[in-house]
Amino acid sequence: NAGVTQTPKFQVLKTGQSMTLQCAQDMNHNSMYWYRQDPGMGLRLIYYSASEGTTDKGEVPNGYNVSRLNKREFSLRLESAAPSQTSVYFCASVHGVRSSTNEKLFFGSGTQLSVL
Amino acid sequence: AQKVTQAQTEISVVEKEDVTLDCVYETRDTTYYLFWYKQPPSGELVFLIRRNSFDEQNEISGRYSWNFQKSTSSFNFTITASQVVDSAVYFCALRDNFNKFYFGSGTKLNVKP
Repeated sequence: NAGVTQTPKFQVLKTGQSMTLQCAQDMNHNSMYWYRQDPGMGLRLIYYSASEGTTDKGEVPNGYNVSRLNKREFSLRLESAAPSQTSVYFCASVHGVRSSTNEKLFFGSGTQLSVL
Repeated sequence: AQKVTQAQTEISVVEKEDVTLDCVYETRDTTYYLFWYKQPPSGELVFLIRRNSFDEQNEISGRYSWNFQKSTSSFNFTITASQVVDSAVYFCALRDNFNKFYFGSGTKLNVKP
């Protein structure tokens, strides 16, 4: 039972290059999230998906696109990377039943992205 | 809009001291959930506690305790008799009615031997 798996763990891009961060969860969770973590800024929500086929913008969506391919997978795409997108990216998932006492975010191990 | 504020950027204590990490939140939702997560130097995010807006009872788990006060919109976290292994960044978070989670900027705790 792997939980939330993110790939790659590290990536270096040149300005203008594109790439996709992959995320998959095997816990049958409905909701999935992409966050970025920057020093002094905490974790900021980029995009959120409540279920397969639905996505919603978070606090900092500009420069990113997402795809909820199926219930397991939620990818984050940078179409034209910029140095301001240098960050650590975390994918997370939650079952989505708020009343459950076990409801909590499960995080992947993160992707460290540098844009030169 | 939802907002979580952790005013303490960094705290340093000596082992065995007690330390309190502050968290203040803003929301117009009547039902919401509050969380604390720990991020040790290895980088993973570890769940510590979940509290819903209708439950203002304080909670104690070993050396950890949490004080939730709706009147002041605060959800503070206290570590008693701190240990070096408690050194980490601690995040407070709020989940709103739309199932979005909002995090504070984090407090880095340094526990020195």
